[in-house]
Amino acid sequence: AQSVAQPEDQVNVAEGNPLTVKCTYSVSGNPYLFWYVQYPNRGLQFLLKYITGDNLVKGSYGFEAEFNKSQTSFHLKKPSALVSDSALYFCAVRDKANTGRRALTFGSGTRLQVQP
Amino acid sequence: NAGVTQTPKFQVLKTGQSMTLQCAQDMNHEYMSWYRQDPGMGLRLIHYSVGAGITDQGEVPNGYNVSRSTTEDFPLRLLSAAPSQTSVYFCASSSDSHSGNTIYFGEGSWLTVV
Repeated sequence: AQSVAQPEDQVNVAEGNPLTVKCTYSVSGNPYLFWYVQYPNRGLQFLLKYITGDNLVKGSYGFEAEFNKSQTSFHLKKPSALVSDSALYFCAVRDKANTGRRALTFGSGTRLQVQP
Repeated sequence: NAGVTQTPKFQVLKTGQSMTLQCAQDMNHEYMSWYRQDPGMGLRLIHYSVGAGITDQGEVPNGYNVSRSTTEDFPLRLLSAAPSQTSVYFCASSSDSHSGNTIYFGEGSWLTVV
């Protein structure tokens, strides 16, 4: 079974400050890890993913995430937050061994609020 | 550049009514799926398909049917709507060539059952 935990329902940060949105995962094998962002009344937009290789993954809009296998984490980061980054962020995992279903398992989401 | 298209965007149903949420993709993706999004629960998989003519159940399939007669289309049918099916529904697709492929989502369908 695969699962994802996003321990924070909401993260508040001031514009210009660094931000971190936390994600931990559980899979029986090795993971594929994804971050998606959702703006109000919109669908999910892909931000970045970890497949293999370099543990630091860079994605859209200046976001990056670091894969840490020993801590089973994949935290989303950005050096300098913008008000326009305010949205709902989802972490998702797929077990590499789970080739049949190919579905993602999502965390419950973290709302990021960036204050001007 | 349409991607994944869902219709309708908003719908109100009465308990017991049936309806179909439409989903189409123009990326020639083999894999398609339906999720529902409820507050505090992330997205949960309803049904999925790995190709035309092949469908299977996800985590929360009860009360929903799907079919996949073509690669492009993957409609979701609510047989007899219940208030518990009030939710936001997302259709998604991805290429089936590698399980690390990105899944792309439609804009969502907001369904209220009264």
